[in-house]
Amino acid sequence: GAGVSQSPRYKVAKRGQDVALRCDPISGHVSLFWYQQALGQGPEFLTYFQNEAQLDKSGLPSDRFFAERPEGSVSTLKIQRTQQEDSAVYLCASSLTGAENTEAFFGQGTRLTVV
Amino acid sequence: AQSVAQPEDQVNVAEGNPLTVKCTYSVSGNPYLFWYVQYPNRGLQFLLKYITGDNLVKGSYGFEAEFNKSQTSFHLKKPSALVSDSALYFCAVRDMPYDYKLSFGAGTTVTVRA
Repeated sequence: GAGVSQSPRYKVAKRGQDVALRCDPISGHVSLFWYQQALGQGPEFLTYFQNEAQLDKSGLPSDRFFAERPEGSVSTLKIQRTQQEDSAVYLCASSLTGAENTEAFFGQGTRLTVV
Repeated sequence: AQSVAQPEDQVNVAEGNPLTVKCTYSVSGNPYLFWYVQYPNRGLQFLLKYITGDNLVKGSYGFEAEFNKSQTSFHLKKPSALVSDSALYFCAVRDMPYDYKLSFGAGTTVTVRA
C-alpha cells in the first residue's frame, strides 16, 4: 500500500485480556517505531526496530508489552493482561532508512479501549 | 534528554490572517526538528523538518517554520490561514547524536474561523 497500515482501527478489550496490534509499514522502509498516544497528549515513544532488530525498547511501560518484527517488515505489538491505563491510541511509524534526518510516516493508529 | 514545549493549547485565527504555532525545545546535542499535523481520526502527517542549513524551512500546504538556536524555538507559521488548516499540530525533536526517537510536544489545536 501507499502508506503505513494498522489493524484493527479500534479494539475493545476486557481487563485482563491479551491483545495484538498489527502494523504494515511502507514497503522497503528500514526503521519502524511504535508510539502510545493518550487522550489529549502527544505521542510517547515505545520501541524502535531497524529491520528485524529491536534496537530500543526503553519506552515499553511494563513487561506486559512486547513487540516483534520477525522478518523486518510487518510488526506486532502485544499487550498481555490489559489494564485500564493501557487505553490509548497506538501509533506505528516507519522511515526509509536508519538515518536520523529522515522523517517518519505514521499510520492512522489503533484505538484501544480497556473496559 | 530531549523535550518539547508547546505553550499554547489552542490557537484561534480568522481565515486569511497569519497563523503562528509556537514550539520550544531542549536537547543535549543538536536538534533535528519536525512538525506534524493530525486531523480527526487520521494519523500524523509530516509537514516539514529542520536538519541543518537555512533557518527558514518551507513545507507542505504553505507552511513554514523558523529555527532559532538562541531562543531554542521552532515556530510554525502560515501567512494566510485557511479553514481547512483547523487541526491538531505537534512539534517534535530528535536529539542528535544521542537519540533517534522523536519526542513530541503535547500539541496545539488550531481553529480557523471563516
